[in-house]
Amino acid sequence: ILNVEQSPQSLHVQEGDSTNFTCSFPSSNFYALHWYRWETAKSPEALFVMTLNGDEKKKGRISATLNTKEGYSYLYIKGSQPEDSATYLCAFFNAGGTSYGKLTFGQGTILTVHP
Amino acid sequence: NAGVTQTPKFRVLKTGQSMTLLCAQDMNHEYMYWYRQDPGMGLRLIHYSVGEGTTAKGEVPDGYNVSRLKKQNFLLGLESAAPSQTSVYFCASTSGYTYNEQFFGPGTRLTVL
Repeated sequence: ILNVEQSPQSLHVQEGDSTNFTCSFPSSNFYALHWYRWETAKSPEALFVMTLNGDEKKKGRISATLNTKEGYSYLYIKGSQPEDSATYLCAFFNAGGTSYGKLTFGQGTILTVHP
Repeated sequence: NAGVTQTPKFRVLKTGQSMTLLCAQDMNHEYMYWYRQDPGMGLRLIHYSVGEGTTAKGEVPDGYNVSRLKKQNFLLGLESAAPSQTSVYFCASTSGYTYNEQFFGPGTRLTVL
């Protein structure tokens, strides 16, 4: 079973703060790393799919970086707003044999942004 | 374009009863997945399908069966429900499993008494 770890498990910040969290994954047989945002009572929605070492992706105030050699990705939120409150999930796609076709999700980082 | 839909949205079962959850997608996606979400456990893969007529086991397949008779539909069956199967079930689909995002349905909340 592949291990995808996210830290911290939860985070409370004030409106306007910038924040970041980490996703760690196995560095061997890397294919892709996904980030999803999951708001309460809704479905997960994709933020980024990252495939290349050194990749940086940005969507508004949210950005992500990828280091496949050491097996980690960072998600950054600049100037957090209350509407950013959600669970942020990362998911790893591995090219190894029995993992064909499936993502392994981390447990998520729960972000709460206080007004 | 409805995306991914799930039926039903809520259900309460008694131990030992059976039911089928339906997932439908109108995006012509090849790959479909069933996950369960439990507090503190994230999303865990139950079964998945890489094309019409194919299914494969995920991380937690015991107690569930699936079928993919049509490309757009992926059914999840519980033959004899147990309280441990109380969970929120999400279906997802994607056109390409490596570089393409997964699209999720709205979820089915199942309670087994």
